[in-house]
Amino acid sequence: AQSVAQPEDQVNVAEGNPLTVKCTYSVSGNPYLFWYVQYPNRGLQFLLKYITGDNLVKGSYGFEAEFNKSQTSFHLKKPSALVSDSALYFCAAMNTGFQKLVFGTGTRLLVSP
Amino acid sequence: GAGVSQSPRYKVAKRGQDVALRCDPISGHVSLFWYQQALGQGPEFLTYFQNEAQLDKSGLPSDRFFAERPEGSVSTLKIQRTQQEDSAVYLCASSLFRLGYGYTFGSGTRLTVV
Repeated sequence: AQSVAQPEDQVNVAEGNPLTVKCTYSVSGNPYLFWYVQYPNRGLQFLLKYITGDNLVKGSYGFEAEFNKSQTSFHLKKPSALVSDSALYFCAAMNTGFQKLVFGTGTRLLVSP
Repeated sequence: GAGVSQSPRYKVAKRGQDVALRCDPISGHVSLFWYQQALGQGPEFLTYFQNEAQLDKSGLPSDRFFAERPEGSVSTLKIQRTQQEDSAVYLCASSLFRLGYGYTFGSGTRLTVV
């Protein structure tokens, strides 16, 4: 069975500092990996995805993620955090044979001024 | 419309009441998905349609949950005899492709069963 783990319930970072939100996955076969962001009372917004190719994936709003097959990780990163990045972030995985996403439990990012 | 539209945004139901949640996907999108997001949790898959065909309903938690997409566009998720544990945000997503990447999510319907 597929699973996604986000070990941190909350990440706190000061504005201007780099941020990392951690994600590890367990998927049979080649994984499709995703990051979504959720603002209060809003749906999930797509940030980036890894399907194949370069291990460093660049996405929306300056976010990027690094795929590490040996560590089965897909950590989300941003070089310089903004207060407006404060939100709930979800990592998700999809097996290439299926349509559905399996989500982690989410990590709340709080960026302080 | 430009995005996935869900209605109502909020629904309060008395325990035992039936509810119907509507999803209008992006025009032309082939795939449609329903997810349930309980408070403090990540979304969990409920069911998947490709056009009007319901190809996977393995995530529906009980036979009180029923989804349809009769003309391959609008979808309705129906919950019969609601219970408190049904309280959650119900998210709909659609995709232009048969494969699941390229989802666009709606803002969800928050269901509260009292």
